[in-house]
Order: sequence, then structure tokens, then C-alpha cells
Amino acid sequence: EADIYQTPRYLVIGTGKKITLECSQTMGHDKMYWYQQDPGMELHLIHYSYGVNSTEKGDLSSESTVSRIRTEHFPLTLESARPSHTSQYLCASGRVRKRKETQYFGPGTRLLVL
Amino acid sequence: GQNIDQPTEMTATEGAIVQINCTYQTSGFNGLFWYQQHAGEAPTFLSYNVLDGLEEKGRFSSFLSRSKGYSYLLLKELQMKDSASYLCAVYSGAGSYQLTFGKGTKLSVIP
Repeated sequence: EADIYQTPRYLVIGTGKKITLECSQTMGHDKMYWYQQDPGMELHLIHYSYGVNSTEKGDLSSESTVSRIRTEHFPLTLESARPSHTSQYLCASGRVRKRKETQYFGPGTRLLVL
Repeated sequence: GQNIDQPTEMTATEGAIVQINCTYQTSGFNGLFWYQQHAGEAPTFLSYNVLDGLEEKGRFSSFLSRSKGYSYLLLKELQMKDSASYLCAVYSGAGSYQLTFGKGTKLSVIP
């Protein structure tokens, strides 16, 4: 069973607020990811990290930012939340062995911005 | 551009075998992921294919043909709990990490 955690699981917040979605994993994985998924729609990669102090944007433009100061921690921040940010945010970590990658997903954070 | 195609929905009978196809056209290819996602839940990783051929993992197998831009997920001895969406995603991009997802195939397993 994967040890990857996300908090909060659900968040309802007003427009203009700053929010940070937490993601942590205890497996020592170097790779970590943030995905965004609207109900019934496909997943989109918004951020990824190959390791400490390494962060890159994914293929979906996002107004969020991430940091990777510690291997186990990969928080996502929205400086000023808007209703268009309402979505589910999924964090994942990846282990690579012999070019093969295995990914583990956290339970997700459902965000509603009013 | 990047394009991933999967059937939208499939129905199969409990105990049967089902094959879910995925075709892709991407600029570059590093590997192909399959995930399972139950409604309202986070995805679960199933497989990652880098080389051509079939990889078996219990009741699930995944096949890749890079020259044809084609993959399939094979589910054997279907169980009711296999009813879920199955997502195909291609990892492409040279020098950057680009992961493109298909819209998913919703599989319904009936008694």
C-alpha cells in the first residue's frame, strides 16, 4: 500500500484567498506530480518534480506554484483562489527502476472556490 | 500536437476477457501508462510500458507497439469490481516531461 497523503481532502473557500494544498510521501520517491481533474474529464499534469529543488510546469497552464524543499513534501499554492480553480487536485509520486516507473496517487483534494 | 484515443465506453460480462485499446499520436515517446479509476476516487497505477510487447501482471496485461502507436489493456476473468474507467497516458517530450492523458474508457461489468 502506498504511503502518500494529501490534506485537506475537501476545501471550500472564498475568492481571493491564498491556499496551500499539502502532499507528502514516505516512500523516498524522487519524482512527484500534481494533476488536475474536473468531474468526468481527463487528468492534466500541472506540475512535476524530479527531486529536491527541481520543479517544472506540466502541459496544462496553471496559476498555481509548487515547491520541493524536502524529498517527502510537495505543496501546491494558489496565491489568489478563483471559481475557475474549482477542481480535484491529485498528487502522485513515482519510483523508477530500470527505466520502469511505478506511480502512486494520493486520495486527492476537492477544491470549491465560491 | 498530442492525441490519445480510447473508446468511450465498453461493456463486458463477469468472467469474460476484455481488451481496451489506446492509439496515440505524440511528438516523441518515452512510455505509456495505464491507470484504473473508480468513480469519485483517485487513479490507481496499473502498468507502464516502455518496450514493445506484452507485459502480464496477474489478471491484467498491457501490450505496446511503438511503431503502430498502439497499446491495449487486457483484463481477464472479469470481476464486478473491475467496473471503472481505464486511462491511457503517454509520456513524451525530449528534455521536458509531458504526460498526455486520454479521456478514459468506462468499463461496465455485468453479471
